[in-house]
Amino acid sequence: DTAVSQTPKYLVTQMGNDKSIKCEQNLGHDTMYWYKQDSKKFLKIMFSYNNKELIINETVPNRFSPKSPDKAHLNLHINSLELGDSAVYFCASSQVDGNTIYFGEGSWLTVV
Amino acid sequence: DQQVKQNSPSLSVQEGRISILNCDYTNSMFDYFLWYKKYPAEGPTFLISISSIKDKNEDGRFTVFLNKSAKHLSLHIVPSQPGDSAVYFCAASLSGTYKYIFGTGTRLKVLA
Repeated sequence: DTAVSQTPKYLVTQMGNDKSIKCEQNLGHDTMYWYKQDSKKFLKIMFSYNNKELIINETVPNRFSPKSPDKAHLNLHINSLELGDSAVYFCASSQVDGNTIYFGEGSWLTVV
Repeated sequence: DQQVKQNSPSLSVQEGRISILNCDYTNSMFDYFLWYKKYPAEGPTFLISISSIKDKNEDGRFTVFLNKSAKHLSLHIVPSQPGDSAVYFCAASLSGTYKYIFGTGTRLKVLA
């Protein structure tokens, strides 16, 4: 029983397509995140939601839209995919104090 | 501007010896620090953390040391085991901001 699960794990898609990555956590945490690890291996925060409210929105193109239907889910929708969007996207969650975050297994997105 | 730096991209250590992974940060306001371990094709796994009110935290073979004046933390693994071979990320946070800044990781190889 995975604590933070995200799907799909691997995704290859063409430029211009729209795709979604889903994330669910069963830890009872109030806060969820999306991180991106690029080709240089930097792990950078994109978004954070606390109890379905957006609390962090880093400088991410507005082609990326997170959606949190409830506090256990945070999905990432990407419109008009570009080559530079190819990366590994990690979902994570934490308790409200935000002190320790737990990551999902990652979603490897390749845009061709 | 990378606020958290891991200047050694890789480290090789003989099995049974001590592994020391280093991390430097620039923002003196950070008050919580974490270490994560990552295997290929998996998400980062939480290892150990330390609050800025402490200078040492120990959990089994893993010990984290924090030197606030030097803005430096280190992870000691002793004795090192082949299964410890992975990429190790340090992260820093300001409590309550839900924002974690990660280093670029150090690849540890423990030689049998």
